Amino acid sequence: GAVVSQHPSRVICKSGTSVKIECRSLDFQATTMFWYRQFPKQSLMLMATSNEGSKATYEQGVEKDKFLINHASLTLSTLTVTSAHPEDSSFYICSASPGLYATNEKLFFGSGTQLSVL
Amino acid sequence: DQQVKQNSPSLSVQEGRISILNCDYTNSMFDYFLWYKKYPAEGPTFLISISSIKDKNEDGRFTVFLNKSAKHLSLHIVPSQPGDSAVYFCAASEDTGNQFYFGTGTSLTVIP
Repeated sequence: GAVVSQHPSRVICKSGTSVKIECRSLDFQATTMFWYRQFPKQSLMLMATSNEGSKATYEQGVEKDKFLINHASLTLSTLTVTSAHPEDSSFYICSASPGLYATNEKLFFGSGTQLSVL
Repeated sequence: DQQVKQNSPSLSVQEGRISILNCDYTNSMFDYFLWYKKYPAEGPTFLISISSIKDKNEDGRFTVFLNKSAKHLSLHIVPSQPGDSAVYFCAASEDTGNQFYFGTGTSLTVIP
């Protein structure tokens, strides 16, 4: 089956530093990738939709200058948390779709990144 | 505002019995509904889906029921197995794209 690799799985950083999370589709080209955030005991919250070669579309309330998304190729999207603060500590997860209008089932998830900001 | 809700945060079921996980939604434009299963430290994996033209979809031990008038769907697992112990998310999307809205998840524990 299709695999989405997300790296790193866990990161601990100091407040004020930037952290980059990578999401790679290993055996398919991902025109669209999604970034989610999950707080403990809460739902996966869609942060942004990343389309290859164009600017990401951010959900309401998500600071685009703080959560920089780059989708430079059909197999790689990155999420950079800039100037991270303790309140940014969370579980971040990406998902990838083979096509813009792919069958809804074909949404593959990375294993997630647990970010802890000290 | 939470458009997809799973009101039961946890559920315990004896092995061999039926597990029923419930999900409610508020957006009448949702046309596709999915269930994902998530083990600790792993990403969610797709389990089963249903589109609004159906009211039931079955795949092995897993059956999803959709009641559009009530804006309610449920996942039935029969018979439940210990390996089914995980967090189950329901998700919904409109026909226009791939954006999904997730419920908060229900943690299922199947007791051997």
